[in-house]
Amino acid sequence: RKEVEQDPGPFNVPEGATVAFNCTYSNSASQSFFWYRQDCRKEPKLLMSVYSSGNEDGRFTAQLNRASQYISLLIRDSKLSDSATYLCVVNIPNAGKSTFGDGTTLTVKP
Amino acid sequence: EAQVTQNPRYLITVTGKKLTVTCSQNMNHEYMSWYRQDPGLGLRQIYYSMNVEVTDKGDVPEGYKVSRKEKRNFPLILESPSPNQTSLYFCASSPRRGYEQYFGPGTRLTVT
Repeated sequence: RKEVEQDPGPFNVPEGATVAFNCTYSNSASQSFFWYRQDCRKEPKLLMSVYSSGNEDGRFTAQLNRASQYISLLIRDSKLSDSATYLCVVNIPNAGKSTFGDGTTLTVKP
Repeated sequence: EAQVTQNPRYLITVTGKKLTVTCSQNMNHEYMSWYRQDPGLGLRQIYYSMNVEVTDKGDVPEGYKVSRKEKRNFPLILESPSPNQTSLYFCASSPRRGYEQYFGPGTRLTVT
């Protein structure tokens, strides 16, 4: 079983739709979590950190469920510009390793 | 401007010819890391460094070397490249381990 798993998609949604991605992790010692966005094999860019209490940034909401060991990303009112691959990252603070999910591809259509 | 730079951006080389990909950051970050990205396999960590002179293996270290003699630089060395090292390589830095990472623009390497 992979340490971090994401549904690869693709997710094809119309503009204005709400879409949610999940990312499950296997190591219960994981402590820090992030969502990144990657466009067309360019460098990943930080979208948002994921805090225990959940956090929101505009149309984006990230949540953490420690009991079930997953994080989620919710995008409301999807824009064409949201089309990208979304990567989750899970870190174990006492180790230096950083594990990425394989990414979920989102295409927003007019 | 705060950034992570990598050089070269594109490289085509032949099997066995030693090469170095440089990575530099100007944010005084403690943590630096190298990843490779292949279709269908996502980003896989090659090596990371939690501070100067401290390096450790990631998930796919075979065939690679790194060094961290200065805080800002973290070069990736391929002593004897092989075709299976053809990939897209990213360097990243972070204020500390476990914090958010900032990526360089990537290096597309082709080994023939």
